[in-house]
Amino acid sequence: QQQVKQSPQSLIVQKGGISIINCAYENTAFDYFPWYQQFPGKGPALLIAIRPDVSEKKEGRFTISFNKSAKQFSLHIMDSQPGDSATYFCAARKETSGSRLTFGEGTQLTVNP
Amino acid sequence: DAGVTQSPTHLIKTRGQQVTLRCSPKSGHDTVSWYQQALGQGPQFIFQYYEEEERQRGNFPDRFSGHQFPNYSSELNVNALLLGDSALYLCASSETGTGNYNEQFFGPGTRLTVL
Repeated sequence: QQQVKQSPQSLIVQKGGISIINCAYENTAFDYFPWYQQFPGKGPALLIAIRPDVSEKKEGRFTISFNKSAKQFSLHIMDSQPGDSATYFCAARKETSGSRLTFGEGTQLTVNP
Repeated sequence: DAGVTQSPTHLIKTRGQQVTLRCSPKSGHDTVSWYQQALGQGPQFIFQYYEEEERQRGNFPDRFSGHQFPNYSSELNVNALLLGDSALYLCASSETGTGNYNEQFFGPGTRLTVL
C-alpha cells in the first residue's frame, strides 16, 4: 500500500524559476511531514519539515504548504538554482511509530542554468 | 562530529550468500533505523532498533535481521540473498525523546549488488 504519493516523477525548471513538488497521503494518523534532498551517492538530508497544525512553513527559499483537509502538502523552491538539482522525497511519520518514516517515490529536479 | 557512518560503501554478492552491513550513529543518538532504497524509488523502512531491541519492523521477510550493540551501533544482516535485494541500504539515526519529532539523520548508504 502506497501511503504517500508524490508527483511529478521528474521536473525541469530554468534558473530563477519556481519548482513545485506535490505529495498526498492517506493515513490521517500522520503527524509530521519532512522533505528530504538527496544528491547522487549520498544519503537523504532533511530540508524542511511541517506539522499539520500549521498551513505553511518557510525556510529561506524553501516553503512547505500543507492542506490538512485535502491530505496534501507541497514543496516550493523559489529562485531555483542549478545547485538545487537533486532528488527530493516527501515523507510522513505517525506519532506512534517512533522515528519510522514513510517516503514518497521521489522527484528528480533539474535546474538548467 | 562524523555524522552517521556506514560500511562498506559498496558490496557485491551472489545469490544465496549472506551479507552484513554496519552503521555507526551520529554522536548522541540512541536509535537506529534501516531503510532499503531500490534504484529510482524512495527508501522503504526495514526495522528500527532502540535499547538493543527491534522496536518496529516494516514489510520485510525474516531473511532481514539486525542487531544493536551497547554503543548504539548496528548491523543489518540479509540471508539467502536474492537478485531483488540489490539496492542502496541506508542507516538513519535519531535521538529518542527530545521533542524534535525524532529527526533522522541518514548515512551515505551501502550499495549492495547481488549477481
